[in-house]
Amino acid sequence: EPEVTQTPSHQVTQMGQEVILRCVPISNHLYFYWYRQILGQKVEFLVSFYNNEISEKSEIFDDQFSVERPDGSNFTLKIRSTKLEDSAMYFCASSERLPTVDEQFFGPGTRLTVL
Amino acid sequence: QKEVEQDPGPLSVPEGAIVSLNCTYSNSAFQYFMWYRQYSRKGPELLMYTYSSGNKEDGRFTAQVDKSSKYISLFIRDSQPSDSATYLCAMRVGSNYQLIWGAGTKLIIKP
Repeated sequence: EPEVTQTPSHQVTQMGQEVILRCVPISNHLYFYWYRQILGQKVEFLVSFYNNEISEKSEIFDDQFSVERPDGSNFTLKIRSTKLEDSAMYFCASSERLPTVDEQFFGPGTRLTVL
Repeated sequence: QKEVEQDPGPLSVPEGAIVSLNCTYSNSAFQYFMWYRQYSRKGPELLMYTYSSGNKEDGRFTAQVDKSSKYISLFIRDSQPSDSATYLCAMRVGSNYQLIWGAGTKLIIKP
């Protein structure tokens, strides 16, 4: 069964450093998303991406964040200068956006720890 | 007022019991309602997807949406220890695809 994969599973970084979180969406999906979940808190939407551009983003997704689809398979989230409060699980998701249903399939997540 | 409210639990029930999980919401523009299951240190997995009001059944799972009360439910019949997980409700308006999430209810099914 096709699945969304994410690497690394755990990333530890120093405050102020740049990190890149990687995702490989399901191969025939065209819509991609990043969500985050701070420990003990709700899942929060960050951004959605289609046709090589951002289609929606939340207030959390400020200038420190960027997304890219550098090739035909990867989808990345970059945080330019990490802050302590960026520590969270980051989930990538993808979907086909069929007219009657939009099932977003989630990857296992990357745990980001900012020290 | 929070957009989506969900009791975090934990909710502990014996094996075989019927489980009822609920969310309330404040935004009347929500049209699509989802229930996800999340095992520890895993990503959310979609269980049920409902558009507008009504019931939807899939095996042991039934999702209900009452838009007039802004209330959604997930029922699990003949609960199994393998159903032990965190159950998250999520919803969205029709015009965009970002999901708004509840806090998740931790469910424990005791053998």
